[in-house]
Amino acid sequence: NAGVTQTPKFQVLKTGQSMTLQCAQDMNHEYMSWYRQDPGMGLRLIHYSVGAGITDQGEVPNGYNVSRSTTEDFPLRLLSAAPSQTSVYFCASSYSVVGKAYNEQFFGPGTRLTVL
Amino acid sequence: AQSVTQLGSHVSVSEGALVLLRCNYSSSVPPYLFWYVQYPNQGLQLLLKYTTGATLVKGINGFEAEFKKSETSFHLTKPSAHMSDAAEYFCAVSTSQKLVFGQGTRLTINP
Repeated sequence: NAGVTQTPKFQVLKTGQSMTLQCAQDMNHEYMSWYRQDPGMGLRLIHYSVGAGITDQGEVPNGYNVSRSTTEDFPLRLLSAAPSQTSVYFCASSYSVVGKAYNEQFFGPGTRLTVL
Repeated sequence: AQSVTQLGSHVSVSEGALVLLRCNYSSSVPPYLFWYVQYPNQGLQLLLKYTTGATLVKGINGFEAEFKKSETSFHLTKPSAHMSDAAEYFCAVSTSQKLVFGQGTRLTINP
């Protein structure tokens, strides 16, 4: 099993550009989520999904879009990049009972994004 | 809504000394509590979790944590620090569909 994979590992964007961060898991997990990690702020939830076709907002959703067309994939789209979106982005997945975040989340290696 | 506070953004201990990382949570319903560890340039991995039942939870690498409802705490301990324990540690709480993380504590081990 590859676990949770993320691409790219590094990305530099100019303000206003758009891009998609890819996330895939091969563990057949229903629950998937995106976090951003900033110094001194821990990890903050951007969006999450409890199954294919179902997504919802987390703590910091503005400027980001997600969709979940398959169980395996959960891409994160930056619509118009801003310097405030410079961060490290982590995707995670877990087994879920009735859509709850009660189980161990498995994290990808992260994408380091810089917006100039 | 649930929240987590980790006391101390940096903790430094000597090799062989006790490690104590503090975590307090806020939740209106019984929480599920987690400790994750992040090594440099890596994702997070689970150290241990509390769901229900026994309040003393043992995890990997000799770490353990005790759930104290009266103090709304879930502090992480290890009796004897090892150089390989140097990392960032995150406490997290879930009562629903969202996992909420604390700010993190960076643990440094002095030889």
